[in-house]
Amino acid sequence: TQLLEQSPQFLSIQEGENLTVYCNSSSVFSSLQWYRQEPGEGPVLLVTVVTGGEVKKLKRLTFQFGDARKDSSLHITAAQPGDTGLYLCAGALGTASKLTFGTGTRLQVTL
Amino acid sequence: GAVVSQHPSRVICKSGTSVKIECRSLDFQATTMFWYRQFPKKSLMLMATSNEGSKATYEQGVEKDKFLINHASLTLSTLTVTSAHPEDSSFYICSARGGGWWVTEAFFGQGTRLTVV
Repeated sequence: TQLLEQSPQFLSIQEGENLTVYCNSSSVFSSLQWYRQEPGEGPVLLVTVVTGGEVKKLKRLTFQFGDARKDSSLHITAAQPGDTGLYLCAGALGTASKLTFGTGTRLQVTL
Repeated sequence: GAVVSQHPSRVICKSGTSVKIECRSLDFQATTMFWYRQFPKKSLMLMATSNEGSKATYEQGVEKDKFLINHASLTLSTLTVTSAHPEDSSFYICSARGGGWWVTEAFFGQGTRLTVV
């Protein structure tokens, strides 16, 4: 059973388009992180959200943590080919030290 | 962000041999290190959690005798794949976390592509 489900699994869009990736769970997370991973490399941390309802912006990326801390979304405005990669959400349950990773969303942005 | 270095980035070994992968935190003390396995086009699967100076905690279904983890110092953890077989071929990634139990941010190494022939 996968605790964190991401949708869509795969997204192919053209440069300039907007997109939203969802990360959903029935569990409550004490914090949630988003990572981007490129082929053959480790994931790179993009953001950490902690408070229910929290919204964080990182240039063209907007992250939101659900009010109940069970879900999160990542919105990219005016996508660029450099945004291509595997996007992973990961949540920490309670005081557990380990992260539970989402199923992943593979984004491809073409010219 | 903090830097985690993983070595080697690629390794090819013969079936039946053992392979050691190193994970180092370069600019912080990693109280906890995690080892993941990733299959092609899939998400990360946690294999084990190790805290400096204590035995690793393995996830269900992960053979502790096959995947030996050592976290002897606050900056180094190693994963040894013993008696490797072709089905062990995968992308192995470590992450490291500093601070107390309340810290959830972890930083990842570059990964190691293991191919067993």
